[in-house]
Amino acid sequence: AQSVTQLDSHVSVSEGTPVLLRCNYSSSYSPSLFWYVQHPNKGLQLLLKYTSAATLVKGINGFEAEFKKSETSFHLTKPSAHMSDAAEYFCVVSDDSNYQLIWGAGTKLIIKP
Amino acid sequence: DGGITQSPKYLFRKEGQNVTLSCEQNLNHDAMYWYRQDPGQGLRLIYYSQIVNDFQKGDIAEGYSVSREKKESFPLTVTSAQKNPTAFYLCASRSGFSYNEQFFGPGTRLTVL
Repeated sequence: AQSVTQLDSHVSVSEGTPVLLRCNYSSSYSPSLFWYVQHPNKGLQLLLKYTSAATLVKGINGFEAEFKKSETSFHLTKPSAHMSDAAEYFCVVSDDSNYQLIWGAGTKLIIKP
Repeated sequence: DGGITQSPKYLFRKEGQNVTLSCEQNLNHDAMYWYRQDPGQGLRLIYYSQIVNDFQKGDIAEGYSVSREKKESFPLTVTSAQKNPTAFYLCASRSGFSYNEQFFGPGTRLTVL
């Protein structure tokens, strides 16, 4: 069965410094993986997705993620944080047998001025 | 302008009352989903529907009911049997050709007094 673990519940960085949000997954086959972002009291927006093409995936707002099969990881990075990046980020793996999404618990990104 | 709408944005109800949350999409997507979100947790699947007139229970279906009479609409009823209904409810839809990516509405925050 698939599962997702987001290794940090909160990450705090200063504006202009790099962001790293960590995600490990468990899957019995090559999965589809996603990162979604949620700003306070809003719905979710897709940041990027991995679907067995290039292992380095570029998303919106300067975010990218690298799929590492040997480490079963899909960490999200951004070179330089902006105040508008403050939000909650969810790592998600797709169960292709029934098209359901398996959600991580989320990582709250805090940006210090 | 395609998308998913949920109404109302905020909903207050007295304990013991049933309440129905609306979800409409004009994306021509076949599949629709209802999730519940509680603080500090990832999304949990309540019900989903892959096609009109058919739906399946998710992980936390007890105390909820749905219908799917039209492709565009997937209303969720929170019944008095749901022991702790106060939460943020998110509706999503999925195209059959999008690697399982789901598109989300803005959510409804339900508070039971």
